[in-house]
Order: sequence, then C-alpha cells, then structure tokens
Amino acid sequence: SQQGEEDPQALSIQEGENATMNCSYKTSINNLQWYRQNSGRGLVHLILIRSNEREKHSGRLRVTLDTSKKSSSLLITASRAADTASYFCATVAPTGSARQLTFGSGTQLTVLP
Amino acid sequence: DTGVSQDPRHKITKRGQNVTFRCDPISEHNRLYWYRQTLGQGPEFLTYFQNEAQLEKSRLLSDRFSAERPKGSFSTLEIQRTEQGDSAMYLCASSDTSANVEQFFGPGTRLTVL
Repeated sequence: SQQGEEDPQALSIQEGENATMNCSYKTSINNLQWYRQNSGRGLVHLILIRSNEREKHSGRLRVTLDTSKKSSSLLITASRAADTASYFCATVAPTGSARQLTFGSGTQLTVLP
Repeated sequence: DTGVSQDPRHKITKRGQNVTFRCDPISEHNRLYWYRQTLGQGPEFLTYFQNEAQLEKSRLLSDRFSAERPKGSFSTLEIQRTEQGDSAMYLCASSDTSANVEQFFGPGTRLTVL
C-alpha cells in the first residue's frame, strides 16, 4: 500500500518556471526521500531529508519537511525540459531494520520548451 | 558500469509459466530490496535481504513468489504459475546499512503476462 498522496498528480509548466510538488504521509518517519523516474526507467535519488531537518537544498532542488503536518514539498527552480519525469516521495520508518522505502503515488511533471 | 543491473529488461510470458529475474547490486552494498511497480503508481516493497539473509517480506509476496540471495551478492526473484495480475515493473535496489542513505535502483524488469 502507498504511504501517502502526492499533489498534484500531474503538473505542466513552461521552461524556466518553478515547479512545486507536495507529499503527505501517514506515519512517523526516520527520513523522507525524493526520487525521479523517467518513463519506463528505474528511479534516481534526488535528495534525502531527515526527520529532524526542516529544509534542505541541492542545486536547483529545495525540499521542506513539516513533521507536525506529515508533509513535504519539493521545489524545482528554473525548470528545464529535461526535468520532465515522474517524481515520488518515499518515507523510511523510524523503527525496524529493513528501512524499506514506502512511496507515494507520484507527480507527473511536464516541462514545455 | 558499477550501478545496479537487472536482467532481463523485458519478459513476456503466458499465464501459468514460471519466470525468474536477476539483480546484481552495487558490489559493496549488503542490503538488497525488491519492489513492484504498476502503471501510474509508486513502487511497493516486496522483500529485503541483508547479505544472504531474507529479513522481511511484504504481504504482497504470495507463496508463488520466492527470492534468494545465495552468496550475499546477486539476487533472483522467481514467480511461479504467473497470473495476469503479476504484470508489472519489478525493481531492484541496493544500499549500505547506514540509517539515512539512499537506495540505488536498477532499470527494472518489465513483466507482461498474457
């Protein structure tokens, strides 16, 4: 089963604009990660934010985490056509040894040239 | 290429046949995960190995599914008596044992059951 929901399910923007995707989850977490998936391909890790962190940056990516609201957002600034992909948030539980990822349902981002 | 590799990339089979997929993780990673992804959804966890030990299995992993990692290196996922509902992308990922680390995913094996 999916951990939570991502919003919006689909997003279409012009090149150069910023893209914001939101993720909500249901249970306590150790960390939250964002992954990108090009159509029919494997997933690529983008960024990890720990449960005691509130904001993190990596290049054109900015991630926020609000554990009180059980939500996270991913901001991609100055988008490019090559950013077109599906974006998934995934959480890791604070207990248990497996540390498997529990994914949301994803946001399909289309960046128009 | 030192990333995670999976073989085959695509598999088409008839209902009732058995299929086996292989995953080669990043060599220094001792954790290996299998996930299943259907169209329009995020991946769902199936099972996990630490070295050669299978330590956790999802309820999604019915008794028709079996996974092995005999020497703590590559892993195989076998599906017996395939059903049309097994059609999906099967993803393998590996990581080290640290608490806050990313998982590295392979390209996946797309299974189509006719």
